Amino acid sequence: DAGITQSPRHKVTETGTPVTLRCHQTENHRYMYWYRQDPGHGLRLIHYSYGVKDTDKGEVSDGYSVSRSKTEDFLLTLESATSSQTSVYFCAITGTPPDGYTFGSGTRLTVV
Amino acid sequence: LAKTTQPISMDSYEGQEVNITCSHNNIATNDYITWYQQFPSQGPRFIIQGYKTKVTNEVASLFIPADRKSSTLSLPRVSLSDTAVYYCLVDGSSNTGKLIFGQGTTLQVKP
Repeated sequence: DAGITQSPRHKVTETGTPVTLRCHQTENHRYMYWYRQDPGHGLRLIHYSYGVKDTDKGEVSDGYSVSRSKTEDFLLTLESATSSQTSVYFCAITGTPPDGYTFGSGTRLTVV
Repeated sequence: LAKTTQPISMDSYEGQEVNITCSHNNIATNDYITWYQQFPSQGPRFIIQGYKTKVTNEVASLFIPADRKSSTLSLPRVSLSDTAVYYCLVDGSSNTGKLIFGQGTTLQVKP
């Protein structure tokens, strides 16, 4: 969707390597989220941010860290990628809950 | 966070009206009901949101009874392109905007 972009769109990495996914928004929205989607599990919240430098854990945060040093960027880092982190990762933004989310197009990450 | 329950899958035919019901027995006073649509290889897309009674937009209608313990998404005259997964969620400002997605309803529209 216009206003939110994820990079990269696809990535293959080796087990044990660090990986950083980027979410960039041009909407000046306060809230940003990272989800992962796997078959049989639907969308699960990893981490979220409610402002610059303000972040909190979601339901599946183990093995992930995030940073938000400016409003427009929310980074998701896998410090040491594992095969269980192979997934599709979605970023989402919203201005003021409960306004609807806008989702990015996703990043397909494969850890081999 | 309120939990929602909806059918895992539904089938329909082109031109029919489709109604997907979602139950949310523990909905809080501040919670809104929101529906999203997701196509394969894409992120979910906001469809409609409501608090009570009926809401209609160019895509769908949302019916919410007085007790708000359930809601029904109505898609008029579906086409093949409406084949997707539909998620029902409850969302309130007290949740810091965190949305908890369930399994959703996979709608298959047949010709």
